[in-house]
Amino acid sequence: AQSVTQLGSHVSVSEGALVLLRCNYSSSVPPYLFWYVQYPNQGLQLLLKYTSAATLVKGINGFEAEFKKSETSFHLTKPSAHMSDAAEYFCAVRGSGGSNYKLTFGKGTLLTVNP
Amino acid sequence: DTGVSQDPRHKITKRGQNVTFRCDPISEHNRLYWYRQTLGQGPEFLTYFQNEAQLEKSRLLSDRFSAERPKGSFSTLEIQRTEQGDSAMYLCASSSPSGLAGAYNEQFFGPGTRLTVL
Repeated sequence: AQSVTQLGSHVSVSEGALVLLRCNYSSSVPPYLFWYVQYPNQGLQLLLKYTSAATLVKGINGFEAEFKKSETSFHLTKPSAHMSDAAEYFCAVRGSGGSNYKLTFGKGTLLTVNP
Repeated sequence: DTGVSQDPRHKITKRGQNVTFRCDPISEHNRLYWYRQTLGQGPEFLTYFQNEAQLEKSRLLSDRFSAERPKGSFSTLEIQRTEQGDSAMYLCASSSPSGLAGAYNEQFFGPGTRLTVL
């Protein structure tokens, strides 16, 4: 079964600093991987997705992620944090075969941006 | 606003009461999903509809839970005899039909219904 593990439940950075949120996956087939962002009292918004094309994926709001098969990782980065980036971030993997509509999420990483 | 909508946004109930939530997907989306998110966890899949057919139910969905999508448009999720462990955010998502086999169509999420069982 597909699964993802997010390392670090809480990451704190200063405004303007690099953001790095870690995600490792486990999958028996080539995975489809996603990063979602959730602002307080709101639903999830897709930041970016990896679907076996380019390994470096660019998303919205200046975020990008790199798929590394050798490390089974899909870490999310942003060169310069902004106050508006403060939110919870979820890594997710798509199910395989007949369950390819199902998303399995990590536990989330809460990003705090300090002025 | 043409996004996924959910009603109510918040629900407080007493243990043992029944509650019902509604989800209105994006109009042209034939696929609809329910997820549950508890504090400190990511969303967990509950169930999936393609049009009006419920194609999968998670083991998380006990007999007290029932979901319907009678006309293939809006969906309802009912919890009978609520328990304190049911307290969570219930998220609905929808996606458009897949054109190519195995293609992925983005799931668009609603704002969720936060349930508190006292």
